[in-house]
Amino acid sequence: QKEVEQDPGPLSVPEGAIVSLNCTYSNSAFQYFMWYRQYSRKGPELLMYTYSSGNKEDGRFTAQVDKSSKYISLFIRDSQPSDSATYLCAMSAKGAQKLVFGQGTRLTINP
Amino acid sequence: DTAVSQTPKYLVTQMGNDKSIKCEQNLGHDTMYWYKQDSKKFLKIMFSYNNKELIINETVPNRFSPKSPDKAHLNLHINSLELGDSAVYFCASSQDGYGRGYEQYFGPGTRLTVT
Repeated sequence: QKEVEQDPGPLSVPEGAIVSLNCTYSNSAFQYFMWYRQYSRKGPELLMYTYSSGNKEDGRFTAQVDKSSKYISLFIRDSQPSDSATYLCAMSAKGAQKLVFGQGTRLTINP
Repeated sequence: DTAVSQTPKYLVTQMGNDKSIKCEQNLGHDTMYWYKQDSKKFLKIMFSYNNKELIINETVPNRFSPKSPDKAHLNLHINSLELGDSAVYFCASSQDGYGRGYEQYFGPGTRLTVT
């Protein structure tokens, strides 16, 4: 079993829709939870970061962490074609020096 | 101004050859990483260096040898290339490997194809 599981998709939605991306994990030591966005043929870039449980909002993006269920989500409101990319969740334990990534979900927003 | 750069961008080579990939960051970060992304987009850490010192060495064949001449550079040398080495290799850096280790800046990747 992988430490971090993420549905690879692909996921295709119309412009303006609300998108929900999810990851589950098995390592209860994880305390830092990140979402990276990767455009085609580019390197990943950090989109959102959350420490421990709770919600964090940044513009159209909301990250949620539920440590009791070992489940994290990224919501995108009013999705735009420019949001089309692969979204990777990543996690690390406190004091750990490595990120463990999910497989990535390929998202397409159709105009 | 490119923050994390890698050369070459594309590398096509035959089995058995030896090749190197170079990485440079101009962010003043202390920690640098090498990742491998396979055809299914799965991104896995290979190595991490903090201030030229090897911190993370995942289960990687010893045909792969990283080298950090200074904290702004991290190179990856691969001996006796195999078909299974075909992947995209990403270099990344972070301010440090501890408190801000989650905020990693990635290079554009080197697409390695072994024939």
